[in-house]
Amino acid sequence: EAQVTQNPRYLITVTGKKLTVTCSQNMNHEYMSWYRQDPGLGLRQIYYSMNVEVTDKGDVPEGYKVSRKEKRNFPLILESPSPNQTSLYFCASSLRGGKLFFGSGTQLSVL
Amino acid sequence: GENVEQHPSTLSVQEGDSAVIKCTYSDSASNYFPWYKQELGKRPQLIIDIRSNVGEKKDQRIAVTLNKTAKHFSLHITETQPEDSAVYFCAPIASGAGSYQLTFGKGTKLSVIP
Repeated sequence: EAQVTQNPRYLITVTGKKLTVTCSQNMNHEYMSWYRQDPGLGLRQIYYSMNVEVTDKGDVPEGYKVSRKEKRNFPLILESPSPNQTSLYFCASSLRGGKLFFGSGTQLSVL
Repeated sequence: GENVEQHPSTLSVQEGDSAVIKCTYSDSASNYFPWYKQELGKRPQLIIDIRSNVGEKKDQRIAVTLNKTAKHFSLHITETQPEDSAVYFCAPIASGAGSYQLTFGKGTKLSVIP
């Protein structure tokens, strides 16, 4: 089944404790991206990648890192999480910027 | 980056009525115009899209119209049903332009009253 797999679904952590949210797709998509969703602000792009080893900043990249070592995986790294990064996160992939396929989301709480 | 505005932010309609949501964008290079639907607690999913060489596209009760000159496109839902209640997002993109920085509209919460 074609899908984007995102883990974990829920994560509670404390300020400053490094964490990684994983994202994997099985559709051989070149394009992958990360978004955060906050009430009243909609979906905001954090980072995107157009292919292996190619990543670019979105609208809200501060405090986040990504890597694209393999085509199927695009992890989101928070090296020192802060409470303002409490949010719902979505990973998505597509063929060259077309229809986006979203993961199931990760609800992150930073205490 | 692209400036995207979506109106209205909330919309309540009676079951069976029509709903229209408008998305205005700033980048004249945009050539792919999708609409996503997000039900409560779920991931966004594409419901309809259109490319810049087409003015209108219809799929049963939903349709999208595009006005490239005025830089806006609209989602039309006819004969609304309670299951249409959700948040809808637009996300115009200049596909193939070499950069896929993507800006979503802030969303429209549609409530269909039975």
